[in-house]
Amino acid sequence: LAKTTQPISMDSYEGQEVNITCSHNNIATNDYITWYQQFPSQGPRFIIQGYKTKVTNEVASLFIPADRKSSTLSLPRVSLSDTAVYYCLVGAIKTGANNLFFGTGTRLTVIP
Amino acid sequence: EAQVTQNPRYLITVTGKKLTVTCSQNMNHEYMSWYRQDPGLGLRQIYYSMNVEVTDKGDVPEGYKVSRKEKRNFPLILESPSPNQTSLYFCASLSGANVLTFGAGSRLTVL
Repeated sequence: LAKTTQPISMDSYEGQEVNITCSHNNIATNDYITWYQQFPSQGPRFIIQGYKTKVTNEVASLFIPADRKSSTLSLPRVSLSDTAVYYCLVGAIKTGANNLFFGTGTRLTVIP
Repeated sequence: EAQVTQNPRYLITVTGKKLTVTCSQNMNHEYMSWYRQDPGLGLRQIYYSMNVEVTDKGDVPEGYKVSRKEKRNFPLILESPSPNQTSLYFCASLSGANVLTFGAGSRLTVL
């Protein structure tokens, strides 16, 4: 069962690029890596997902090295509204999707 | 609109009084799950269900029960709530694309 490790917190100034790394040493062959964003008192919401190499969408990029034991969420030019907790999650329905562990997440604070 | 609906959103109850938090999804997802969130502890999985009539324990199942009689519903049952079950609860369902959709959350206080 793939569990994840992330930094507890990060601070960044507005307009900077932020990179949050997640370690998942026990990732299985069929597992996907998915990142979620959570604002206070709301449910987490999907940001981006990848399997290997690099994925980019309108809000973020996800970098995954060849061994897939870690991944890095990149948020370009953050704003105050990006202050939130970010979680990486590893798993997949094909591997049984049992026990999708979120871990403690990374609290990002964007400073004006 | 594709969504996961939880009820109630807020509940204050007393120790020992049985309660049920309902969860319903309209996306025909097979996998559903319950999480609780407490300060500093992130999201911890309580129970999950791979399909109808198939449920299993997550990280913190003690004091909770679940059932999955139909694909769309996955209620969380607290038979005898205690103050340590005061928490924010989230229900989620998983798409075939391995993306979880979460409900808005249910804040429970047990006095």
